[in-house]
Amino acid sequence: KQEVTQIPAALSVPEGENLVLNCSFTDSAIYNLQWFRQDPGKGLTSLLLIQSSQREQTSGRLNASLDKSSGRSTLYIAASQPGDSATYLCAVRKGETSGSRLTFGEGTQLTVNP
Amino acid sequence: EAGVVQSPRYKIIEKKQPVAFWCNPISGHNTLYWYRQNLGQGPELLIRYENEEAVDDSQLPKDRFSAERLKGVDSTLKIQPAELGDSAVYLCASSLEGYAGNTIYFGEGSWLTVV
Repeated sequence: KQEVTQIPAALSVPEGENLVLNCSFTDSAIYNLQWFRQDPGKGLTSLLLIQSSQREQTSGRLNASLDKSSGRSTLYIAASQPGDSATYLCAVRKGETSGSRLTFGEGTQLTVNP
Repeated sequence: EAGVVQSPRYKIIEKKQPVAFWCNPISGHNTLYWYRQNLGQGPELLIRYENEEAVDDSQLPKDRFSAERLKGVDSTLKIQPAELGDSAVYLCASSLEGYAGNTIYFGEGSWLTVV
């Protein structure tokens, strides 16, 4: 059974800092990995999707990397802003075909202090 | 383009009462998901549809939960009767499978409190 772990569970940083959120998964046979953001009382917003054949994806100040063989992904946030405060979740899709189950970690709750 | 739409956003019911949640996925998306998220945890899949067919419902508590996706578009998730432990956020999501992106898009969720 795939297990996804996110470390740390919570993180508080001052505005302007660069930070890294970690995600690890136990079964390296994944189809892709997706990072989401969840604001309080809201649903999930997709940030970045990395296919299993890719090493990283970038969007603005966000960069996600994937090391499939070691079962790890990181989400790098540059020059953090108070608006980045949210819970960040990673999720892996099982197997080699699309449409299979997405398994989530429990998230990292990020607070960026002005 | 409209995202995934869910209703109601919030629902408070007494235990043993029924409740239903509705989801309208992104237009053209063939795959629809229902997830349940407990406080402080990541979402867990309840059921996944490909078009009208439920292809993964192994984690749906079938004694009290039911779901349907008529005509391969909108979907309804029902709980009858509700229990205290059903208090959670019920998230609907959709994706266009077979497309290289396979990004999954989530709705805002339906927040259920059972008292």
